[in-house]
Amino acid sequence: DAGVIQSPRHEVTEMGQEVTLRCKPISGHDYLFWYRQTMMRGLELLIYFNNNVPIDDSGMPEDRFSAKMPNASFSTLKIQPSEPRDSAVYFCASRAGEYNEKLFFGSGTQLSVL
Amino acid sequence: LAKTTQPISMDSYEGQEVNITCSHNNIATNDYITWYQQFPSQGPRFIIQGYKTKVTNEVASLFIPADRKSSTLSLPRVSLSDTAVYYCLVGDGGSGTYKYIFGTGTRLKVLA
Repeated sequence: DAGVIQSPRHEVTEMGQEVTLRCKPISGHDYLFWYRQTMMRGLELLIYFNNNVPIDDSGMPEDRFSAKMPNASFSTLKIQPSEPRDSAVYFCASRAGEYNEKLFFGSGTQLSVL
Repeated sequence: LAKTTQPISMDSYEGQEVNITCSHNNIATNDYITWYQQFPSQGPRFIIQGYKTKVTNEVASLFIPADRKSSTLSLPRVSLSDTAVYYCLVGDGGSGTYKYIFGTGTRLKVLA
């Protein structure tokens, strides 16, 4: 398996624009997580899905952020409108099963909002 | 979720053994202890997981005392490539609500 695949690897956009980040989890994994990492706040869990259903979105910073998982092999994280303070590395991770299974992370998307 | 406390940073020299301790005073009965490693520009990577006593794999050892209020990740004979941030996580994956909350981590720098 190719692992968790994220795209794009880098994204530079201007304030106010819509940004869509994409993630393909490892085949067979039924949990998917979105994280954001900054120097100031570290790794923050934004939302996670189980069997394509959002389970906990309490980490989503505000209504400008939304995430979807239309099927088991694809998820998106959308920011609309984007702001400079959204600049961060966004990671997607997936795992199999329910009990103490390890997380597998993608390489992340480096987002810069100017 | 049990809160974890780790040293912010550590320095070591190549060839030395490095021990990173994590405190988790309010760990619950069902909680496991898991360590992840993160290199710059990469996502975290699983290193090791344990419940009690000692666990060893090809990368590291994890020591957990009887009271489980702390744990120690041991990296034998580190090399420059072990320079990374190491995260300790505590939680119960069995309930399905394991949210994998990462703390600040320990930034390990290995010197030549």
